[in-house]
Amino acid sequence: ELKVEQNPLFLSMQEGKNYTIYCNYSTTSDRLYWYRQDPGKSLESLFVLLSNGAVKQEGRLMASLDTKARLSTLHITAAVHDLSATYFCAVDIGGSEKLVFGKGTKLTVNP
Amino acid sequence: EAQVTQNPRYLITVTGKKLTVTCSQNMNHEYMSWYRQDPGLGLRQIYYSMNVEVTDKGDVPEGYKVSRKEKRNFPLILESPSPNQTSLYFCASSLGRGPWGYTFGSGTRLTVV
Repeated sequence: ELKVEQNPLFLSMQEGKNYTIYCNYSTTSDRLYWYRQDPGKSLESLFVLLSNGAVKQEGRLMASLDTKARLSTLHITAAVHDLSATYFCAVDIGGSEKLVFGKGTKLTVNP
Repeated sequence: EAQVTQNPRYLITVTGKKLTVTCSQNMNHEYMSWYRQDPGLGLRQIYYSMNVEVTDKGDVPEGYKVSRKEKRNFPLILESPSPNQTSLYFCASSLGRGPWGYTFGSGTRLTVV
């Protein structure tokens, strides 16, 4: 059974600081997704990571994937209030579209 | 506008009364799936479909049915809803197994009393 663990589940940080969210998964997978969800809203796709060593960046967010360690990271650089949201990673069971989500990291960026 | 449309957005129903939540996408996507989101449990996949007439169970399929008779539509059917199916439901679609994520609908908040 594929398990996906995110750490931390809650993160409160100051504007301008850096931090990293971790996503560990338990079995081999073809791809890893990162999504953002604002309160009361739907999910927005941020990144899709397809191979070992993949790194993608968008603005102040950078995601990376280490398939050997079964670990993905979402790094936040110089946080701003607009980044406050819940971030989810999701992993598929290889060869299928059966997706398992982490429980999410609720990020609050304080002025 | 490219989107995934779910209806209704809100629904309150009684135990045992069959209901259908519709999902339609206008992006010619191959893949579609349904999730439920519950506090403390995150999102859990109910069913997914990789093509017309091809559906498969996700992690929590019990009490739900789906069908994929047309590419654009993927309705979620609750034949006999129970209070433990009270949840926020999301439909999502994707072009396929490439470097793109899923597009999610706006969600359906279902309450079963």
